Amino acid sequence: GENVGLHLPTLSVQEGDNSIINCAYSNSASDYFIWYKQESGKGPQFIIDIRSNMDKRQGQRVTVLLNKTVKHLSLQIAATQPGDSAVYFCAENHTGRRALTFGSGTRLQVQP
Amino acid sequence: DVKVTQSSRYLVKRTGEKVFLECVQDMDHENMFWYRQDPGLGLRLIYFSYDVKMKEKGDIPEGYSVSREKKERFSLILESASTNQTSMYLCASSGTSGSQETQYFGPGTRLLVL
Repeated sequence: GENVGLHLPTLSVQEGDNSIINCAYSNSASDYFIWYKQESGKGPQFIIDIRSNMDKRQGQRVTVLLNKTVKHLSLQIAATQPGDSAVYFCAENHTGRRALTFGSGTRLQVQP
Repeated sequence: DVKVTQSSRYLVKRTGEKVFLECVQDMDHENMFWYRQDPGLGLRLIYFSYDVKMKEKGDIPEGYSVSREKKERFSLILESASTNQTSMYLCASSGTSGSQETQYFGPGTRLLVL
């Protein structure tokens, strides 16, 4: 594929299991976080976001958890499906900065 | 739905050529961005624009320039392409002049410089 892929950490799960993808950030001023999904040959696609005044946010089959104490973000995908196979990126921003800062990504492989 | 399009999916150019990558968004977004994506390095910001004719350097602007003559269009220019500019180029746009809005991405342009 065309994704960043050669040096990515990989998470392999069975179809139907729950997946947890983790992301650490270093900037204590970060106050906005996004998860993106990038399938092979495509641009990143928005999944879910969370602001720093929250510690949990749920979407359809996805949940984002934010732990500001240890500067950790996670994406939980319930009942993982083959179509969830992709590279997942976290991104962060803080007030006053126009552009996002992206993590390096995690490849999720769903085994049938 | 937001739609961000890029003029080419694949490009092959020779060293020293001038290269134009075009990006168009249809949601009247103020902010537009150019990134490159390389294995092991993730997405790195080249340039962004927060208004017509306005631009700011990102983290890796060297060897690139940009143009934003119309709100919906943001062009990335490689004045003299080099082999180390072989990469996937991603354009994105976002909706307000503030800093905390979701960026929506185009499909990417895979550039090979020989």
